[in-house]
Amino acid sequence: EIVLTQSPDFQSVPPKEKVTITCRASQSIGRNLFWYQQKPNQSPKLLIKFASQSLSGAPSRFSGSGSGTDFTLTISSLEAEDAATYYCLQSSSLPLIFGGGTKVEIK
Amino acid sequence: EVQLVEAGGGLVKPGGSLRLSCAASGFLFSNAWMHWVRQAPGKGLEWVGRIKSKTDGGTTDYVAPVKGRFTISRDDSKDMLYLQMNSLKTEDTAVYYCSTTLLDWGQGTLVTVSS
Repeated sequence: EIVLTQSPDFQSVPPKEKVTITCRASQSIGRNLFWYQQKPNQSPKLLIKFASQSLSGAPSRFSGSGSGTDFTLTISSLEAEDAATYYCLQSSSLPLIFGGGTKVEIK
Repeated sequence: EVQLVEAGGGLVKPGGSLRLSCAASGFLFSNAWMHWVRQAPGKGLEWVGRIKSKTDGGTTDYVAPVKGRFTISRDDSKDMLYLQMNSLKTEDTAVYYCSTTLLDWGQGTLVTVSS
């Protein structure tokens, strides 16, 4: 079973600053990595699929990169509405596994 | 517009059973691989299982903690997805979401397993 290690667990960042969240897989997963945003009391929302493909409707300040075992979600300029918990998900093999989540707070 | 509406959550005693449903609309349900994902209170997301489309075999896969207790099924004639949960444990307490190809998600339904 693949293990996904997401870091950091928590970030408090001022508006307009850059945010970087990483997700490391215990073995190569190619580009089978998704990034989700979840706000309190809401369902997760898919931001990035297959490591770097943005979803239509996702703000352009969100981008993803990486392949193999190391992946990054970047928020280029943090906005107040980005306060949320972010999760990575690997879909390379079963069981599908989510990272532990990164809570982003606006400082 | 894709819509997924879960129902059937509630309070159940340990060892009991519950069946969740997910009503789908806005897309060709019969072609979709459907997933259940859960989230325990204050915790992260956990994939529960999936069912492939019938044209892809209609088979199911589950995460280890629910294998043998949970069953995912679908009724393509009604655009409905189901999660039959038996032998429920307190650790199954969670919001359960249905999702199509992990892109679109429902609002979730809360299952509480407690005596």
